[in-house]
Amino acid sequence: AQSVTQPDIHITVSEGASLELRCNYSYGATPYLFWYVQSPGQGLQLLLKYFSGDTLVQGIKGFEAEFKRSQSSFNLRKPSVHWSDAAEYFCAVGDRQGAQKLVFGQGTRLTINP
Amino acid sequence: EAGVTQFPSHSVIEKGQTVTLRCDPISGHDNLYWYRRVMGKEIKFLLHFVKESKQDESGMPNNRFLAERTGGTYSTLKVQPAELEDSGVYFCASSQLRPDSLYEQYFGPGTRLTVT
Repeated sequence: AQSVTQPDIHITVSEGASLELRCNYSYGATPYLFWYVQSPGQGLQLLLKYFSGDTLVQGIKGFEAEFKRSQSSFNLRKPSVHWSDAAEYFCAVGDRQGAQKLVFGQGTRLTINP
Repeated sequence: EAGVTQFPSHSVIEKGQTVTLRCDPISGHDNLYWYRRVMGKEIKFLLHFVKESKQDESGMPNNRFLAERTGGTYSTLKVQPAELEDSGVYFCASSQLRPDSLYEQYFGPGTRLTVT
């Protein structure tokens, strides 16, 4: 069965610092890969997705993620975080074979220090 | 364009009562999904509608949960009777039927259900 692991439940970084959120997945083949963000009181917003092609994917709000097949990872990065990036981040995978459901990781809560 | 809306935003009920959650997808989105996040756990898939038909209900926990999507527009998720373990946040999402948009799921803000 597919599974997604986000090893860090909570991360705190200073404003202006770089950020990397980890995501590893377990799946028989390369799935579709996603990062979502949920700000307080809001729904989940799609940050970026990987289907195929270039393994470095650019998303909204200055985020990027890199797919590494050998490591079954899809880590999210941002060179310089802003206070507004404080939120919960979810990595998810989708099955290429037809079922459109998403399988999510446990989420990483990001706190920004001023 | 209006996003996915869910009602109510928060519901507190007693064990044994019935609750109905509603989801209005983005207009024109034929795919509609329900997910649930139990506190401290990951978001889990419940079911998927294509228009008014249930495409995949493999994630529904048991027969106390009933989802409908009459007319292929809004959807309801009824829990009857509610149990303590049903507490959590219920998310609805929608997407278009176009092959290149299947996985661009737009999520609502969720309904927080508390069963006491």
